[in-house]
Amino acid sequence: AQSVTQLGSHVSVSEGALVLLRCNYSSSVPPYLFWYVQYPNQGLQLLLKYTTGATLVKGINGFEAEFKKSETSFHLTKPSAHMSDAAEYFCAVRLNTGFQKLVFGTGTRLLVSP
Amino acid sequence: KAGVTQTPRYLIKTRGQQVTLSCSPISGHRSVSWYQQTPGQGLQFLFEYFSETQRNKGNFPGRFSGRQFSNSRSEMNVSTLELGDSALYLCASSLDGQNYGYTFGSGTRLTVV
Repeated sequence: AQSVTQLGSHVSVSEGALVLLRCNYSSSVPPYLFWYVQYPNQGLQLLLKYTTGATLVKGINGFEAEFKKSETSFHLTKPSAHMSDAAEYFCAVRLNTGFQKLVFGTGTRLLVSP
Repeated sequence: KAGVTQTPRYLIKTRGQQVTLSCSPISGHRSVSWYQQTPGQGLQFLFEYFSETQRNKGNFPGRFSGRQFSNSRSEMNVSTLELGDSALYLCASSLDGQNYGYTFGSGTRLTVV
């Protein structure tokens, strides 16, 4: 069964600083990987996804993530944090065969200070 | 193009009652999945419907059920509500639930008192 571990329930950065949110996955077969963001009282918005092909994936709002099979990681980065990036971020994995549910990590709350 | 619409946004129910939540997917999307989000358990998969058929079900008791209509709109029902059912219920739509991404609605916040 696949699973996701997000290290750090809270990450604090200053505006303009690098954002790094960590995600490690476990999957018996090559996975599809996703990052979602959730703002208060909102649903989940897809930031980016990895399915096949290029391992460096660029998403919306300046975020990107790199799929590293050897490290079973899919960390999310953004070079310069903005106040509007403050939200909760979820990493998710699913198998790449047929229909499979999304399995989510426990989430990381990003705090951005001025 | 309209997004995924969930109604109502907020609900307060009493223990023992039942509730029905609605989800209208993006036009053309045939797959609808439901997830429960709670502070303690996080995001958990409830079930997925495709072309009016339930394709997959999560590990929830039989009190949780759903259905999908011919226009792809979906409803989920929770009977005999318990305090622990208080959660944000999220619906996600996809073209086919396999090769395409999922778009989530804003959710329905259910509070059981």
